[in-house]
Amino acid sequence: QVQLQQWGAGLLKPSETLSLNCAVYGGSFSGYYWTWIRQPPEKGLEWIAEINHSGSTNYNPSLKSRVTISVDTSEKRFSLRMSSVTAADTAVYYCARVLLDRNAFDVWGQGTMVTVSS
Amino acid sequence: DIQMTQSPTTLSAFVGDRVTITCRASQSMSNWLAWYQQKPGKAPKLLIYKASSLESGVPSRFSGSGSGTEFTLTISSLQPDDFATYYCQQYSTDSPWTFGQGTKVEIK
Repeated sequence: QVQLQQWGAGLLKPSETLSLNCAVYGGSFSGYYWTWIRQPPEKGLEWIAEINHSGSTNYNPSLKSRVTISVDTSEKRFSLRMSSVTAADTAVYYCARVLLDRNAFDVWGQGTMVTVSS
Repeated sequence: DIQMTQSPTTLSAFVGDRVTITCRASQSMSNWLAWYQQKPGKAPKLLIYKASSLESGVPSRFSGSGSGTEFTLTISSLQPDDFATYYCQQYSTDSPWTFGQGTKVEIK
């Protein structure tokens, strides 16, 4: 059974760079897209970016200028970097798997709360 | 971008009630519409994909329907475990993935 384990810094100051990682356990890494989604406190879900095992990427245009998603196939891991964070980037960040034949997110990480505060 | 609008925002219901949540798209879309259930402090859980296909392991009291710009999630007989927030999500090649704002189902 596939599991996603995510980690990264939980407290940042404004203008710093957010860095999160997500490792895939118990399943294939190829044949899927892997994605990051965030959820501000008491608010809805926002898709950030996705990547596949060969490095093909797609970004939410609203965040693209500040976001980089990358992949390490040998480690079955993908990562998110977001530069110049502000308080508006405070959210729970989730990694997830994209099922291409369903165009839906079927496996999710546990979530990482990232707080941006001076 | 395709914007998704859910209604109602909050729904109060009794155990055993039939519950329907609606998701409207800002433009006509294909049937790549999914529904998720989220409980406090947990990641969302996929319930329905391709508008009406039930994800493996999800109880059959959940069903989805719709096409074009209007989609619905129905819970045929609400159970105590179903009190949660529900989100719709669309996929389109012309738009980033987007979600509805959520519908909270509360105990009446």
